[in-house]
Amino acid sequence: DIVMTQTPLSLSVTPGQPASISCKSSQSLLHSDRKTYLYWYLQKPGQSPQLLIYEVSNRFSGVPDRFSGSGSGTDFTLKISRVEAEDVGIYYCMQTIQLPITFGQGTRLEIK
Amino acid sequence: EVQLVESGGGLIQPGRSLRLSCTASGFTFGDSAMSWFRQAPGKGLEWVGFIRSKASGGTTEYAASVKGRFTLSRDDSVSVAYLQMNSLKTEDTAVYYCTRGGGRLDEVCDYWGQGTLVTVSS
Repeated sequence: DIVMTQTPLSLSVTPGQPASISCKSSQSLLHSDRKTYLYWYLQKPGQSPQLLIYEVSNRFSGVPDRFSGSGSGTDFTLKISRVEAEDVGIYYCMQTIQLPITFGQGTRLEIK
Repeated sequence: EVQLVESGGGLIQPGRSLRLSCTASGFTFGDSAMSWFRQAPGKGLEWVGFIRSKASGGTTEYAASVKGRFTLSRDDSVSVAYLQMNSLKTEDTAVYYCTRGGGRLDEVCDYWGQGTLVTVSS
């Protein structure tokens, strides 16, 4: 199974400040079709997960442009340029290049 | 608007069976794979399995932890996906989510239902 490792596991950010979450995979997520199957989800308190980023860097419909994804191969990053109060929750990275689909442990973002 | 509504959860004894439903609307259900995930209380997300669209063979894939006990099916005529759970164990206690997508590499799990809680306990 591909192991997804997120760091940090928690972070506390002042509104308006940036935040960054790292996700490393135990194997490359680059497929022969030249796409990289890495996704980011946010699970807000009491809610189901919502898709933020697909295939490393593509923002899903309705996702604010303060969210951005980057990376390649086995190293990926989710950045929030200016954290807002509504961004609190747990962020998960997920890979789908190989079954079983696996997730990172999650990174809890709180507001200072 | 894409909507997914899970139902069928509840308290069930170990060894018993339960069937969850995922009722979809707002998209062409038959064209999409449907995936299931779960989240144990206070824990992270775990993939359970998916069922491909009929056009992609309608085949299924499962996580090792549920293979042989859980079965995915779909009824495209009523836009519902099912998760039949047999021989339930206490460790199957979780909120179960259905999502659109997942059957092909490029098929993103984009929309999630609100989840239904399954509690396996004597």
